[in-house]
Amino acid sequence: GAVVSQHPSWVICKSGTSVKIECRSLDFQATTMFWYRQFPKQSLMLMATSNEGSKATYEQGVEKDKFLINHASLTLSTLTVTSAHPEDSSFYICSASGRGGLADTQYFGPGTRLTVL
Amino acid sequence: GQQVMQIPQYQHVQEGEDFTTYCNSSTTLSNIQWYKQRPGGHPVFLIQLVKSGEVKKQKRLTFQFGEAKKNSSLHITATQTTDVGTYFCAGRPLGNEKLTFGTGTRLTIIP
Repeated sequence: GAVVSQHPSWVICKSGTSVKIECRSLDFQATTMFWYRQFPKQSLMLMATSNEGSKATYEQGVEKDKFLINHASLTLSTLTVTSAHPEDSSFYICSASGRGGLADTQYFGPGTRLTVL
Repeated sequence: GQQVMQIPQYQHVQEGEDFTTYCNSSTTLSNIQWYKQRPGGHPVFLIQLVKSGEVKKQKRLTFQFGEAKKNSSLHITATQTTDVGTYFCAGRPLGNEKLTFGTGTRLTIIP
């Protein structure tokens, strides 16, 4: 149980284009979803936290207009990297937590590797 | 802001040797979690510790939460090649829902 999927698993795009990444909780209702960014050989950096039906809370230094987050349902959150540039190339990972016994633990998706040319 | 540091950053051990990673927070934590990330993979939840001085075991892995709830450790006995990966602690400060990940310890095993 508590499986989280991400799509796509990897994406290559041209500079200036926008990329949408989907994060889905497959077998539980994710009341809260988190988006992280991880550079090679580094720790996870929390970008934003989103609760279903409300606006995401962004961490300091993360541009809201550049990284658009939508948490439209209890099983889906999307991260859109707008006007991507090479410095946005990274590994983006989402995680989700649910209710009750799933509230304290974050279940991670497999990640999306973004390369911006 | 809150910082969570882990030492060592890297550890190379001979297969069969023991391994320990230490996690230190600048603030008191309500709980601490440990995750393992295999090379090329995503973090996988291992365990959560909540009580001061708590010790939990999972087969060859022993997790401790310090008395002051500001530090934690993960000890692996008799490492195996399957233990390869980066181990992250993640702490939740008192009164704050945000989970802050530690810097991670990358473990490599020499067969």
